[in-house]
Amino acid sequence: DTGVSQNPRHKITKRGQNVTFRCDPISEHNRLYWYRQTLGQGPEFLTYFQNEAQLEKSRLLSDRFSAERPKGSFSTLEIQRTEQGDSAMYLCASSPFLGAYNSPLHFGNGTRLTVT
Amino acid sequence: AQTVTQSQPEMSVQEAETVTLSCTYDTSESNYYLFWYKQPPSRQMILVIRQEAYKQQNATENRFSVNFQKAAKSFSLKISDSQLGDTAMYFCAFMKGYGGSQGNLIFGKGTKLSVKP
Repeated sequence: DTGVSQNPRHKITKRGQNVTFRCDPISEHNRLYWYRQTLGQGPEFLTYFQNEAQLEKSRLLSDRFSAERPKGSFSTLEIQRTEQGDSAMYLCASSPFLGAYNSPLHFGNGTRLTVT
Repeated sequence: AQTVTQSQPEMSVQEAETVTLSCTYDTSESNYYLFWYKQPPSRQMILVIRQEAYKQQNATENRFSVNFQKAAKSFSLKISDSQLGDTAMYFCAFMKGYGGSQGNLIFGKGTKLSVKP
């Protein structure tokens, strides 16, 4: 169990550019989640996958955001045409599916995005 | 819609003393789960303790315990014998107990706890 890994740790981009983040969950965790955390706030749910299926998306996930988990292992989160309001920490988490209570989320260290 | 409120943005406690962090929530759901997560500086968030809404007994994990008052929709965290390593942001979180939203944790804004030597 090497933990949830996120890359890159930091990303600085200019407004209008596209960015992609990667998350490698704990092996054999079939659930993977993306959250966004802005300064002074708690994390906000964006989306989650069970294996390769995207089961839920938040209204926060605008058309500029897309997430994939093609083989049910790692996941990518892409933001197109970035805006300054996208600046935040993007957190990935994974869990086994043992029921909502018995599957606490294991979080990664996050990717900090700064849009200039 | 569910909301989670943490009314204490910052707190401090002396090492070895006890501190209580407050959390209230609003929901019309009858089946749900409550959590406290800890986010140390520059480190990942980790689960501290969890509680099922239908269990009246308060959860306990070593030095951490909760006071769950379902009618009042209150879920406070008590840390006994505080240690320097307890310094962190603490987030209270709510999750529905069934249906599609089983990954959708709703977090409060957090309480920054500083343990002083």
